[in-house]
Amino acid sequence: DGGITQSPKYLFRKEGQNVTLSCEQNLNHDAMYWYRQDPGQGLRLIYYSQIVNDFQKGDIAEGYSVSREKKESFPLTVTSAQKNPTAFYLCASSIRQGGTGELFFGEGSRLTVL
Amino acid sequence: DQQVKQNSPSLSVQEGRISILNCDYTNSMFDYFLWYKKYPAEGPTFLISISSIKDKNEDGRFTVFLNKSAKHLSLHIVPSQPGDSAVYFCAASGLSNFGNEKLTFGTGTRLTIIP
Repeated sequence: DGGITQSPKYLFRKEGQNVTLSCEQNLNHDAMYWYRQDPGQGLRLIYYSQIVNDFQKGDIAEGYSVSREKKESFPLTVTSAQKNPTAFYLCASSIRQGGTGELFFGEGSRLTVL
Repeated sequence: DQQVKQNSPSLSVQEGRISILNCDYTNSMFDYFLWYKKYPAEGPTFLISISSIKDKNEDGRFTVFLNKSAKHLSLHIVPSQPGDSAVYFCAASGLSNFGNEKLTFGTGTRLTIIP
């Protein structure tokens, strides 16, 4: 089945550690995104990538990094510079050309900093 | 600056009645609007959308209305069913400015259907 797979589903991290969240899609979509969800704040865009080897900062990119070496993969690294990393992270993808803005989401990864 | 606002954090509706979820936006460049439904610990799923050239779009029990002059849209669910209990996010994009890649989301409304 086509879809987006995020792993791990739950992750615990000690303060000062970097952690990488995986996102893989087999929908043949060009564009991929990372959002963060916090209670009462909806979904906020961290980074997005419209094509392989290219990505742009979203609204809250500080303390995060990404790479897009393959079309199918868009991993997100939460670095120690991120001051409040505990959140629910969502990866999404969309058709870049001719699409209508519909995003397909993964099931999310919940990161807790201890 | 919250460009897409859902002012009601929660809503409770009796099963079988109509659920109306509201969304306001401030950016006049937004021209495509979407509703997503989200269950706990899952990713959002697309529900219904509307382009700014329309004022209504219907899909089964779900209808979205757009009032461009008021910068307001609403999602109507009728009849409401227990499985509709979820958080609903309104989202908007500006195709003319940003392409179809970036969506701005509202803060969500938690809908609870009472059996």
